Amino acid sequence: NAGVMQNPRHLVRRRGQEARLRCSPMKGHSHVYWYRQLPEEGLKFMVYLQKENIIDESGMPKERFSAEFPKEGPSILRIQQVVRGDSAAYFCASSPVGQGSGEQFFGPGTRLTVL
Amino acid sequence: SQQGEEDPQALSIQEGENATMNCSYKTSINNLQWYRQNSGRGLVHLILIRSNEREKHSGRLRVTLDTSKKSSSLLITASRAADTASYFCASDEGGGNKLTFGTGTQLKVEL
Repeated sequence: NAGVMQNPRHLVRRRGQEARLRCSPMKGHSHVYWYRQLPEEGLKFMVYLQKENIIDESGMPKERFSAEFPKEGPSILRIQQVVRGDSAAYFCASSPVGQGSGEQFFGPGTRLTVL
Repeated sequence: SQQGEEDPQALSIQEGENATMNCSYKTSINNLQWYRQNSGRGLVHLILIRSNEREKHSGRLRVTLDTSKKSSSLLITASRAADTASYFCASDEGGGNKLTFGTGTQLKVEL
């Protein structure tokens, strides 16, 4: 059973470009979470999705950021018109049920560098 | 919700010694988890403790939870160089389905 997969592992973008990060949850998991980690800091929640639904996006910046988890295919975190402050590691996690009942399984992360 | 705080921020010990790190949170929780992160890598789940539990063991790991003080501790016994990593606590503080992470403790175990 493969773990949570994220790609790309490293992504370099110039200011103003778009960044698209992908996450495939563990098999059988229908809940996906995105977190951002700035250098030397802990992870901060961004968004929680179930298939085709955004459940909680309270940690997502209001502009330029969007997330989806379509019926088929991976979850996508999209950052439009990237700025240097978007440089961070973005982690995806999945769980078989909603949090409150167990752990979340994390992917290896995508490290975004904005030049 | 605010992130929890962990202390110490950094800890350096000799192999074979025990390492203790602490975590505090601000509101009620259902459970609290500890994760390890090696430099530049993803997070590995270590242990989960529920709000009605006071202590839990897993191998060389011992976690305690004091809900009256809103704090938890992680003890690693007989540390090894391979334990060198950052350790984070994470809770479902504030309810819902998101984890609120602490600021992390960087542990270095020297030979």
